[in-house]
Amino acid sequence: GESVGLHLPTLSVQEGDNSIINCAYSNSASDYFIWYKQESGKGPQFIIDIRSNMDKRQGQRVTVLLNKTVKHLSLQIAATQPGDSAVYFCAENKGGGADGLTFGKGTHLIIQP
Amino acid sequence: DGGITQSPKYLFRKEGQNVTLSCEQNLNHDAMYWYRQDPGQGLRLIYYSQIVNDFQKGDIAEGYSVSREKKESFPLTVTSAQKNPTAFYLCASSNIDGYTFGSGTRLTVV
Repeated sequence: GESVGLHLPTLSVQEGDNSIINCAYSNSASDYFIWYKQESGKGPQFIIDIRSNMDKRQGQRVTVLLNKTVKHLSLQIAATQPGDSAVYFCAENKGGGADGLTFGKGTHLIIQP
Repeated sequence: DGGITQSPKYLFRKEGQNVTLSCEQNLNHDAMYWYRQDPGQGLRLIYYSQIVNDFQKGDIAEGYSVSREKKESFPLTVTSAQKNPTAFYLCASSNIDGYTFGSGTRLTVV
């Protein structure tokens, strides 16, 4: 089965509200996690990453939280805008090597006006 | 600007034909990857290459082949042995700073 997964296939939020997208992973050896945004027909766009020696990292309007105890990763988007509408994927890199990423199935974030 | 280029964006092929998807990067990245994405699904790793003239199978390598004769190029061939080749194919490259993805090739087999 998949090593990385997301709890909800679809998340609908009001414009201006905060969004929280969750992801669970099962491999304790994973040491690097990335959130990607993918718009229809395009490749994944890097949003933010975090290494296993951290539990929180902030970017512009986005925050990633890592809870290694329960193997849980979340992406928080502040003041959601229409341009945030996309599918969001979490991905993990096991052991830090260049052997590829394992992706979750994705959450489709829908922004309601 | 440095980046990773996939071509073509859309590709149509008849069933039973082999087809090769192009991936070129000018980022000077050592590692390159091919992923497959099906509707509503995450990306699944087909093949990857950590260095020139070397490549490894990913999770779903059956029916695919690759080559890595140059650092900049990592073409993927979808062979007739691939049972369900219609999908969105994404190429990526990486270095210590992270991964960069191409814009994808949508392959449709009719």
